[in-house]
Order: sequence, then structure tokens, then C-alpha cells
Amino acid sequence: NAGVTQTPKFRVLKTGQSMTLLCAQDMNHEYMYWYRQDPGMGLRLIHYSVGEGTTAKGEVPDGYNVSRLKKQNFLLGLESAAPSQTSVYFCASSYQGGYTFGSGTRLTVV
Amino acid sequence: DAKTTQPPSMDCAEGRAANLPCNHSTISGNEYVYWYRQIHSQGPQYIIHGLKNNETNEMASLIITEDRKSSTLILPHATLRDTAVYYCIVIDGGSQGNLIFGKGTKLSVKP
Repeated sequence: NAGVTQTPKFRVLKTGQSMTLLCAQDMNHEYMYWYRQDPGMGLRLIHYSVGEGTTAKGEVPDGYNVSRLKKQNFLLGLESAAPSQTSVYFCASSYQGGYTFGSGTRLTVV
Repeated sequence: DAKTTQPPSMDCAEGRAANLPCNHSTISGNEYVYWYRQIHSQGPQYIIHGLKNNETNEMASLIITEDRKSSTLILPHATLRDTAVYYCIVIDGGSQGNLIFGKGTKLSVKP
């Protein structure tokens, strides 16, 4: 099993550009999450989903949108990237409290 | 905000036991204690969790005090590969709660 796969692993955007980060899990988990991690900080929750077709805001949702059209995929969109969104983004899925994280996407906005 | 308090850093000699403390004085009856670690810039990795009783698995042991206000993660024979940031998190076991990460403890295992 691949677990949780994030694409891309690295990306550089110009301010104002848009992009979508893809998260895919093959464990049939209902719950999926997007976190961001800034240098020296813990992870902060952006958005999450409790099942296909549902999404909810986390701690830092501004500037991001998400979609969960299929159970195995959770997409994170940046409509107009800003330098403050430079960060490492982690996706996770969970079942009964046990979380599995992806390896992260390092995004730089210049 | 994170419901736990951990020391920012600790050192441990290779081969010795690493004991990482965590305070969670406001923990409620249905909240579990989870431990994750993050090696360098990788995604966090699940280690162990518990409710009341002490727990052990192939990676570590978890000791929870009787009043459940604190716990200790024990890595019995630390190796250089155990150098990481360790996060102690409390989460409601009755619902699919979201993990709230604090700053964790940076464990440095030295030769």
C-alpha cells in the first residue's frame, strides 16, 4: 500500500498564480486533512473532510479552498498565491484516531 | 491551542532510554493521549496512544499517570535515527477529532 501520496513534492509559484495540490489515499479512510507547517512551528489545520462530498474549515482556512469529489482524493487549491502561503503542506487521512501523513509538498511563493 | 505542554528540547545518549514527558492537566475522561514524531521535514509518524493504562508496542512505551494529568513516552534504546521532534497530543476518542499540534520536543540522540 502506498498510504498517503501527495503531488507535487515541490513547487515555486509567482504571487497571484493559482495551483492545486493533490492528496490521494488508498486505505479507504473517511477522514482527510490538509495541514501547513511553517519553520519552527507545529502543524496547523487548514481544511478537513469527514467524507466524500464534505469539507470543513480548520484553524487557518483563509486563502485556500478544498474539494473531496472522490473518497480517496482531497484537493487543496490556492486561487491567488501570496508569499505568506510559502510553507510545507501535509495531507493526512485517519481512521479511529490513527493518522497517516503524506511526505509533504514544499511550496514557495515569490 | 494545544492542550499539552512539553519541554522544547532534550538530549539522549545512543543506546540509552529516552524519556519524553508531557503534561496534559486539563485532559477529560474520554480523551486519548497520542504521540507522533516528525523526522527532519518528513510527515509526522504515529508512535503510540493510550487512554488510562500503560501501553507498549514495537516502537515505544507510554506511561500515563493515575490521575491522567501527565504521561511519558519511553524509547527503550534510542538510536541516532530517533532524532526527531516528538508531539504529544490529546484527542477526543469518542469523535473524529482533529490533531492539534504544539511545538513538541526536539529529541537529539547523540553518539
